[in-house]
Amino acid sequence: KQEVTQIPAALSVPEGENLVLNCSFTDSAIYNLQWFRQDPGKGLTSLLLIQSSQREQTSGRLNASLDKSSGRSTLYIAASQPGDSATYLCAVRKTGANNLFFGTGTRLTVIP
Amino acid sequence: KAGVTQTPRYLIKTRGQQVTLSCSPISGHRSVSWYQQTPGQGLQFLFEYFSETQRNKGNFPGRFSGRQFSNSRSEMNVSTLELGDSALYLCASSLGGRGSTEAFFGQGTRLTVV
Repeated sequence: KQEVTQIPAALSVPEGENLVLNCSFTDSAIYNLQWFRQDPGKGLTSLLLIQSSQREQTSGRLNASLDKSSGRSTLYIAASQPGDSATYLCAVRKTGANNLFFGTGTRLTVIP
Repeated sequence: KAGVTQTPRYLIKTRGQQVTLSCSPISGHRSVSWYQQTPGQGLQFLFEYFSETQRNKGNFPGRFSGRQFSNSRSEMNVSTLELGDSALYLCASSLGGRGSTEAFFGQGTRLTVV
């Protein structure tokens, strides 16, 4: 069974700092990996999708990398802002299925 | 382009009742998946519908069921509600090719069972 772990569970940083969120998964037979953010009580907003054949994806201040063989992904946020405060979730999609296996998330607080 | 729409946003039900939640996917998307989110268990997959057929199912009791209509809208039903069913229920829409496409989520339905 696919298990997804995110470390750290919570992170607090001052505004302007660069930061890295980590995601690891136990079964490397994934089709793709998706990063989301979730604001309190709200739905999930898709940030980045990385196909298993890709090494990284970038969108604005966000950069996600994927090392499928080692079962790891990182989400790099540059020049953090208070508006980045949210819970960040990674999810993997196995080959041959469309459902996502989610990590438990990292709660990020950016202090002005 | 409209996003994924879930209704209602909030529900309060009594133990033993049943409830139906609705999800309208992004236009052109044929796959709808449902997830339950609780503080203790995180996000867990319930089931996926594609072209009106259940294509995949998570590990939930038979009290949880769903269906999909010809316009791709989906409903999820929970019968004989239990306190532990209190959760945020999220639906995700995607184009539907197996393992190929990005999932987009709705705002969720917050179900409280009292």
